[in-house]
Amino acid sequence: AQRVTQPEKLLSVFKGAPVELKCNYSYSGSPELFWYVQYSRQRLQLLLRHISRESIKGFTADLNKGETSFHLKKPFAQEEDSAMYYCALSGHNYGQNFVFGPGTRLSVLP
Amino acid sequence: EADIYQTPRYLVIGTGKKITLECSQTMGHDKMYWYQQDPGMELHLIHYSYGVNSTEKGDLSSESTVSRIRTEHFPLTLESARPSHTSQYLCASSESAGGRTDTQYFGPGTRLTVL
Repeated sequence: AQRVTQPEKLLSVFKGAPVELKCNYSYSGSPELFWYVQYSRQRLQLLLRHISRESIKGFTADLNKGETSFHLKKPFAQEEDSAMYYCALSGHNYGQNFVFGPGTRLSVLP
Repeated sequence: EADIYQTPRYLVIGTGKKITLECSQTMGHDKMYWYQQDPGMELHLIHYSYGVNSTEKGDLSSESTVSRIRTEHFPLTLESARPSHTSQYLCASSESAGGRTDTQYFGPGTRLTVL
């Protein structure tokens, strides 16, 4: 079965420090991985997807199939990055439905 | 403006009441989804639809039902609400993109409290 884990419920870093939000998945096949973000009082929205291989708001994520990971990274955290981050997986074997991780709350301190 | 709407945003009701949570999208998407999310927890898919007259149950068992009579409308109904239904309900939509997984666009959510 497909599953997404995010080991940290809360991650606090200081402004300007590097940040890494961990995501591991289990899936027997070639999944598509995503990061969604929810800022305070805003709706859940897509941050980035692995097939795009792009940097959004300074964030990048690399799919590591050997380690079945899709960690989200940013070299210098900003206060406006404080939000709830969800890693998600979509597996074609299951009709392309999403499985979301439990989420990590990132708090960037001044 | 193309968007996805949910009403009501907040609902407090008594046990045993029948309720319908509305979800509409003006994005022209054919796929729509309902997720349930407890505070600080993961999202669980409870229903989805790939088009008009198509509805399927998701990974999380739910006592709710859905209908898809129009492309833009995907209401969720609870025939008899119970305190265990207290949660946040998120509606999402996406469009088909060939063999690639579609980006999901989320509504603002309905926070339901059953007393």
